[in-house]
Amino acid sequence: DGGITQSPKYLFRKEGQNVTLSCEQNLNHDAMYWYRQDPGQGLRLIYYSQIVNDFQKGDIAEGYSVSREKKESFPLTVTSAQKNPTAFYLCASSTLAGAPTGELFFGEGSRLTVL
Amino acid sequence: AQKVTQAQTEISVVEKEDVTLDCVYETRDTTYYLFWYKQPPSGELVFLIRRNSFDEQNEISGRYSWNFQKSTSSFNFTITASQVVDSAVYFCALSGNNAGNMLTFGGGTRLMVKP
Repeated sequence: DGGITQSPKYLFRKEGQNVTLSCEQNLNHDAMYWYRQDPGQGLRLIYYSQIVNDFQKGDIAEGYSVSREKKESFPLTVTSAQKNPTAFYLCASSTLAGAPTGELFFGEGSRLTVL
Repeated sequence: AQKVTQAQTEISVVEKEDVTLDCVYETRDTTYYLFWYKQPPSGELVFLIRRNSFDEQNEISGRYSWNFQKSTSSFNFTITASQVVDSAVYFCALSGNNAGNMLTFGGGTRLMVKP
């Protein structure tokens, strides 16, 4: 079935460690996104990519890094520079990157907890 | 800057009751798009509806209906005869004409439908 796969579903990290969250899509979508979800704050955009080998910072990019070497994959690294990394991370993709269609397809998320 | 406000953080109803989720937005764009997404316990967001700023007609889809009022900058969502399966977090979102798929999300409303 087509969709977005995020892994791992749950992840625990010690302070000072980098961790990478995986996001893979088989929808042939051009655009991919990473959002962070905190209780009561909705979703905030971390990074997005509209084409392979190119990505842009979102509203809260500090402490995060991404790569887009393949169309299907958009991994997110949470670095030790991120001061408050405990959150629920959602990956999404869409077609027509330049048009405000708004129909994003989301993965089931990865919950990161820093111990 | 764009902003979406969902003043109701949590709503609890009994099955078969009608419930309205409020959404108020702010934007300086003359053309914009409004959305509702549903986040069930599994975590992924599911697209429900998109409405552009030039179309103020209300929309009904089964038990769901949406009331877009440009004069009050509101895009409210009503579930008629609620069911337990409607229990989820619901997000209202906004994108401007030049924002591509960069959505600004509200904080979400958690709806609990009790049997």
